[in-house]
Amino acid sequence: QVQLEESGPGLVKPSETLSLTCTVSGGSISGYYWSWIRQPPGKGLEWIGYIYYSGTTNYNPSLESRVTISGDTSKNQFSLKLSSVTAADTAVYYCARRKRVGAYYYAMDVWGQGTTVTVSS
Amino acid sequence: DIQMTQSPSTLSASVGDRVTITCRASQSISGWLAWYQQKPGKAPELLIYDASSLESGVSSRFSGSGSGTEFTLSITSLQPDDFATYYCQQYRNYPWTFGQGTKVEVK
Repeated sequence: QVQLEESGPGLVKPSETLSLTCTVSGGSISGYYWSWIRQPPGKGLEWIGYIYYSGTTNYNPSLESRVTISGDTSKNQFSLKLSSVTAADTAVYYCARRKRVGAYYYAMDVWGQGTTVTVSS
Repeated sequence: DIQMTQSPSTLSASVGDRVTITCRASQSISGWLAWYQQKPGKAPELLIYDASSLESGVSSRFSGSGSGTEFTLSITSLQPDDFATYYCQQYRNYPWTFGQGTKVEVK
């Protein structure tokens, strides 16, 4: 049973860089796409971007200038960095796996429990 | 970006009811659509993928249909555990986008 767990600071100062890590347990990071999604308080879901296990990334254009997603297959982890944060980046941040059946990929079937990040001085 | 619009935003229902939620895409996404259930303080859970494929372990009371730009999620015989917020999500094009959510509340 694959499980994901987000970790990182819960409080980040404005203009600084938000850094989160997602640790994958019970399965390998290899062969899958891994995404970050966020949800501001009381609002809907926003896809931030993904990393494929090989290192290929794709980011939401709305955040692309500030986002970096990287992976470490040896640690079975992938990470999110979001620079120059403002109060608008306050949200619950989730990591998630894209479902794979054979050579086909679908929607996100495994999610972490989420971690709350508040941007405030 | 592909815009996803759900209706209604809030749905009041009773245990045992059949409910239907609609999701419309701003352009064709073929069948590349997922439905998620989210409860307060919890991560979303995948219910349906490819518009109509039931995720393993999900109750058969949930079903999805549609293709192109119009999709529906139906829940038959609503149970107490089903009161939650439901989101549709397209994965046809990047960036992936979600609907704004439909809250199913107790009538």
